[in-house]
Amino acid sequence: GENVEQHPSTLSVQEGDSAVIKCTYSDSASNYFPWYKQELGKGPQLIIDIRSNVGEKKDQRIAVTLNKTAKHFSLHITETQPEDSAVYFCAASIRNTGNQFYFGTGTSLTVIP
Amino acid sequence: DTAVSQTPKYLVTQMGNDKSIKCEQNLGHDTMYWYKQDSKKFLKIMFSYNNKELIINETVPNRFSPKSPDKAHLNLHINSLELGDSAVYFCASSHRDSVYGYTFGSGTRLTVV
Repeated sequence: GENVEQHPSTLSVQEGDSAVIKCTYSDSASNYFPWYKQELGKGPQLIIDIRSNVGEKKDQRIAVTLNKTAKHFSLHITETQPEDSAVYFCAASIRNTGNQFYFGTGTSLTVIP
Repeated sequence: DTAVSQTPKYLVTQMGNDKSIKCEQNLGHDTMYWYKQDSKKFLKIMFSYNNKELIINETVPNRFSPKSPDKAHLNLHINSLELGDSAVYFCASSHRDSVYGYTFGSGTRLTVV
C-alpha cells in the first residue's frame, strides 16, 4: 500500500515568516493530495488539495506544490499568523479505488508572536 | 448545520467495560470512516463503510465492532476496554469516488482508567 512520510514533525516560526512542510509518497498511482489542519481539540479540516495533473495550487497565503517525478509534495504558508498554529497532515490517495486516504504523521506548527 | 457529528465528545470509563461511540453525517455522503489518533497524533484508519457495506477493515482487535444502520450513521462499539484503547477517535465521511477529501467529526476522546 501507499506510504506517506512527512517532515518536519515540529516546526516553529516567527510571525510573518514562511513555513514549509514536506511529504513524500511511495505509490506512483496516487493522484490526489489533500492537506488537513487540526486545531487543538478539533477534527482535521481540509485546507487545500492538489491533483496529479497540476503542479501548484495557491489559495491566499497557502500554496501546495507537487513533483510527480520525485513523488513529493509540499505545503507553503506565507506571512504566518498565530492562528496558523496547529497540526498539519498531508495525505495521498488513489481516486476511484474507494477513496482511502493515507495520512502523513503530522507536523506541529507553532507561530511565535 | 451540515456536518459530521460524534457523541460523546469525552468518554472516561474503566477497564473491562463496553462502550459505544456514535457518528452521524448529514452531508449525503455514501462512505464513512473511523480513525484512531494516538498520543503522537498519528491518524490510523480502522474501518470504512460504503452504503452500509464494510470496505476497509484494518488490523484492529475484534473487540472493536462497527455498525452502520444506514449510510448516514456509523457507530463504533468497543468491548472489554483496555488501557491501550485510550485515544481520540474520529469519524469521517466522503463520497466514495469524490474529487474532494474527507469531512471529519470533532472527535471523541476516550480515556480508559
